[in-house]
Amino acid sequence: AQKVTQAQTEISVVEKEDVTLDCVYETRDTTYYLFWYKQPPSGELVFLIRRNSFDEQNEISGRYSWNFQKSTSSFNFTITASQVVDSAVYFCALSEWDNYGQNFVFGPGTRLSVLP
Amino acid sequence: DAGITQSPRYKITETGRQVTLMCHQTWSHSYMFWYRQDLGHGLRLIYYSAAADITDKGEVPDGYVVSRSKTENFPLTLESATRSQTSVYFCASSESKGNGDTQYFGPGTRLTVL
Repeated sequence: AQKVTQAQTEISVVEKEDVTLDCVYETRDTTYYLFWYKQPPSGELVFLIRRNSFDEQNEISGRYSWNFQKSTSSFNFTITASQVVDSAVYFCALSEWDNYGQNFVFGPGTRLSVLP
Repeated sequence: DAGITQSPRYKITETGRQVTLMCHQTWSHSYMFWYRQDLGHGLRLIYYSAAADITDKGEVPDGYVVSRSKTENFPLTLESATRSQTSVYFCASSESKGNGDTQYFGPGTRLTVL
């Protein structure tokens, strides 16, 4: 069985604060992929990042950074100097292989509100 | 425009009616997916398709029918809509179903069943 947990249902921060969104996953596979998607108020789902289980290097893209730690089964997402436009629901997702191909499971999402 | 589109974006229907949600992608991706998004449940897979004329059930397929006669289109039909099918429906596509392929999502269709 696989599971993605995003324990923070909602987070509110004031603009320019840093914020970290947590993602904890469960899998028995050694080969798997992790994703983050953003869903702004307009409703579309925007792909942010993909990380495979063999690459534990942290990644930084502008104000976004991701911390992948296999030892704790976590793939946390940090926004530095948050902006109002970062307000959205963020989903973590896990992909692993089964007999039928890719099995893609989303976490419940974390709603981030960045206040001016 | 290139990408993945869904129509209609909003639909109101009545219990018992048939309704079809359309999904079209221009990337020639092999795989296409239908999800529904509900509060408290996140995104759940309804059906997916590996190629034209190949479809398979996901986590919550009951009450839905899909077809894929052309690679670029993947319509989802609710044969007799129920109130529990009120949801936001997302279509997605990926190049393959290989492990790690990114799924790209359409803008969603908000369906209300009265």
